[in-house]
Amino acid sequence: AQSVTQPDIHITVSEGASLELRCNYSYGATPYLFWYVQSPGQGLQLLLKYFSGDTLVQGIKGFEAEFKRSQSSFNLRKPSVHWSDAAEYFCAVGARSNDYKLSFGAGTTVTVRA
Amino acid sequence: EPEVTQTPSHQVTQMGQEVILRCVPISNHLYFYWYRQILGQKVEFLVSFYNNEISEKSEIFDDQFSVERPDGSNFTLKIRSTKLEDSAMYFCASSSRGLYQPQHFGDGTRLSIL
Repeated sequence: AQSVTQPDIHITVSEGASLELRCNYSYGATPYLFWYVQSPGQGLQLLLKYFSGDTLVQGIKGFEAEFKRSQSSFNLRKPSVHWSDAAEYFCAVGARSNDYKLSFGAGTTVTVRA
Repeated sequence: EPEVTQTPSHQVTQMGQEVILRCVPISNHLYFYWYRQILGQKVEFLVSFYNNEISEKSEIFDDQFSVERPDGSNFTLKIRSTKLEDSAMYFCASSSRGLYQPQHFGDGTRLSIL
């Protein structure tokens, strides 16, 4: 069965500083990996996805993520954080064999201080 | 950009009552999903639906739950006799056909069981 671990429950970062959110997955075959963001009272917005090919993927809002098969990781990064990036971030893994259903991590809450 | 829309945004129901949560997926999408997020917990898969039938369901999705696509646009989740532990945010998602198509989520319905 597929699963996702997000080791950091809460991260506080200064505006303009860099951000890295960790994600480790467990799945036997090639996973489909996603990062979603949830602002308060909002739904889940897709930031980026990885299916195959280039292991560094670019997403919206200046985010990128790198797939490292050897470490079973898919960490999310942003070089310079804006106050509007304060939200909860979810890593998810999907698999074709499971009808693409997504398994989510517990989420990381990002607080941005001025 | 097309969106998944969910109604109502907040539903308050007495325990034991039936509730129907409604979703309008993106119009050309063919795969439909329901997820839920109990407060403070991770987003959990409930059910996937394709070609007018359930393709996969989780152990959470017991006989009290059902899904239906009554017409060409709506996708509903029914809970027949609600319990206190059904209180959660329920998310609908849809995706188009194909290996590399991500799921797009609605803003969710917050269900509160009294």
